[in-house]
Amino acid sequence: GAVVSQHPSWVICKSGTSVKIECRSLDFQATTMFWYRQFPKQSLMLMATSNEGSKATYEQGVEKDKFLINHASLTLSTLTVTSAHPEDSSFYICSARWGYEQFFGPGTRLTVL
Amino acid sequence: DQQVKQNSPSLSVQEGRISILNCDYTNSMFDYFLWYKKYPAEGPTFLISISSIKDKNEDGRFTVFLNKSAKHLSLHIVPSQPGDSAVYFCAAREGNAGKSTFGDGTTLTVKP
Repeated sequence: GAVVSQHPSWVICKSGTSVKIECRSLDFQATTMFWYRQFPKQSLMLMATSNEGSKATYEQGVEKDKFLINHASLTLSTLTVTSAHPEDSSFYICSARWGYEQFFGPGTRLTVL
Repeated sequence: DQQVKQNSPSLSVQEGRISILNCDYTNSMFDYFLWYKKYPAEGPTFLISISSIKDKNEDGRFTVFLNKSAKHLSLHIVPSQPGDSAVYFCAAREGNAGKSTFGDGTTLTVKP
C-alpha cells in the first residue's frame, strides 16, 4: 500500500519557538494532503487541506498565521507551528490522498514546554 | 453538529467472537465511507471502505455494511483476535475530492 512518512516523530520545544513538521508521500504523488490534530482520547480534528501549488484551506477556528502549511511538491507538505505555546502540545497527523483512499502518516508528538 | 457519530466509545469482545462497530451519519450527501484502525501514538491505518452504491463490502475477516435509508454503517470483525484491539474510526466523504469527516472512534478490546 501507499506509504506516508512524517518527520520528526516527536519533538520537544520551548515556548515561543517554531517547529516544522514534514509529511512525505514515499511511493506516490499526492496533489492533496491533510493535516489533523488529535487530543488525548478524542477524534481526529481536521486542521487544513493542503493542495500542491496553492494555498491551504483551513478549517474554521484554525489560525492560519499560527499553523503555516506549505505544499511545495507532489510528495511533500510541511506544517510549521509558529510561536508555539504549551496549548499547542498535541499529536499531529498528516494524510495524503491517492485515488479514493487516504493514507496517514505515523504522526508527530509535539510537546511545548 | 457532528455529522459522523460513533455512539459507543468502547467495546469489549471475547477472542473468536464477532465484533460489531457502529457508525451513524447525518449528511445525505456522503457517498463514500471508510473504516480506519489506530494504535496509540500511530497514524490511522486504512481498513476497508464502501461506496454508497453498495450495501456490503467484505475483505477477509472484515465486512462493512451500509444502510443508506438509516444512514448507518457497521464494521463486522469475525473472528475477533487480540491483535484487533485498537481504536476504530469511521469516516465519511462527499465525492472523490471531498474531505473525510471522522467519528470520535470506538476502542475495541479483544480478550484472549
